[in-house]
Amino acid sequence: GQQVQQSPASLVLQEGENAELQCNFSTSLNSMQWFYQRPEGSLVSLFYNPSGTKQSGRLTSTTVIKERRSSLHISSSQITDSGTYLCAMERSGGSNAKLTFGKGTKLSVKS
Amino acid sequence: NAGVIQTPRHKVTGKGQEATLWCEPISGHSAVFWYRQTIVQGLEFLTYFRNQAPIDDSGMPKERFSAQMPNQSHSTLKIQSTQPQDSAVYLCASSDRLGGAEQFFGPGTRLTVL
Repeated sequence: GQQVQQSPASLVLQEGENAELQCNFSTSLNSMQWFYQRPEGSLVSLFYNPSGTKQSGRLTSTTVIKERRSSLHISSSQITDSGTYLCAMERSGGSNAKLTFGKGTKLSVKS
Repeated sequence: NAGVIQTPRHKVTGKGQEATLWCEPISGHSAVFWYRQTIVQGLEFLTYFRNQAPIDDSGMPKERFSAQMPNQSHSTLKIQSTQPQDSAVYLCASSDRLGGAEQFFGPGTRLTVL
């Protein structure tokens, strides 16, 4: 089965609303990252968040390693937040530096 | 810091031709990763290097795909006899150590095989 379950698959918001994106992992993880994928395909790292809570502007990431989950909260959404958000994990143990990605959440923010 | 550089940004090849993709990691980063993204499979791992040595190529197709890192400033991904199913965005990433480190991605190379 999928090691990284990301939800929701898509989300439509009115400008100003908040969003909560979730990732659940089926295996123990060493660390995880949240990315924003631009329309042309490039990945922007939003958070490298092995555990705990990190905030950057209107974005907050919370990772609970023991519960194998991470969330990305977007407050006061803006039209420019529209795009695809991806989470990825690095499995724990061995030489598992590679990232395993979720399928992504496609966010659309409308005026 | 220019970030991870990938060239070309777009490449179109005919079926059966060879394609070579280039990646220049962030200066000082010792780990280099290759991933590819398709609509069907999503973003999946291909291979990675540490200090130029191949560590894990478990994601690489067994035939036609090869990757090298001849020096610390660049890595190549070569696809021989390209097939339409090889069409994808190929992404390169680097990090300052192997394991437990943030990975920084390049802009990707969009490969289209006609």
